[in-house]
Amino acid sequence: DSGVTQTPKHLITATGQRVTLRCSPRSGDLSVYWYQQSLDQGLQFLIQYYNGEERAKGNILERFSAQQFPDLHSELNLSSLELGDSALYFCASSVASVGEQYFGPGTRLTVT
Amino acid sequence: GNSVTQMEGPVTLSEEAFLTINCTYTATGYPSLFWYVQYPGEGLQLLLKATKADDKGSNKGFEATYRKETTSFHLEKGSVQVSDSAVYFCALSAWPGSSEYGNKLVFGAGTILRVKS
Repeated sequence: DSGVTQTPKHLITATGQRVTLRCSPRSGDLSVYWYQQSLDQGLQFLIQYYNGEERAKGNILERFSAQQFPDLHSELNLSSLELGDSALYFCASSVASVGEQYFGPGTRLTVT
Repeated sequence: GNSVTQMEGPVTLSEEAFLTINCTYTATGYPSLFWYVQYPGEGLQLLLKATKADDKGSNKGFEATYRKETTSFHLEKGSVQVSDSAVYFCALSAWPGSSEYGNKLVFGAGTILRVKS
């Protein structure tokens, strides 16, 4: 158990809908990262937050957004969902803006 | 941009066989290198890491040596067990002197390892 929690574990929704994925980092970690794992794209970095501020952005679609709240938990919002958004979404956390990352168990999103 | 290339799987071995999973990278300077393991239905766990050239990372019988001259970080284990069956990911994070510096991880495609008893 890495100490990073993600909810929900599974999510099934229809195209065009909007969903919110939630992540709680390890106690004391200030940085949160979101990654997408799909069959065709592999594991890709989406976005990083550090102590509430966006720190780095990767291949994140405009339909996706994220934020980190004062209690340091983070949410990833996915809107206007398409079939191709079906993937495993991982959250990771680290103590600082750099350093070792600890991954959560992931949220499996299925868009039908 | 930075990238990681891993050998394609699946790799199927008998128990107690020797394991090598090749990993090469493209990046400026001296990135940090990692191996992560993903067991079925679980998240990624850091297996080992190396942060400078010629460093050897090791954990649970697995080893990998950071080779700057060949830009490689091959994963090895002398004697695999059925419980090692998983997907293995090689990854890097950019060097501080690079324009791509940051803590995001760039992953290879992953290599499935299957160990038969």
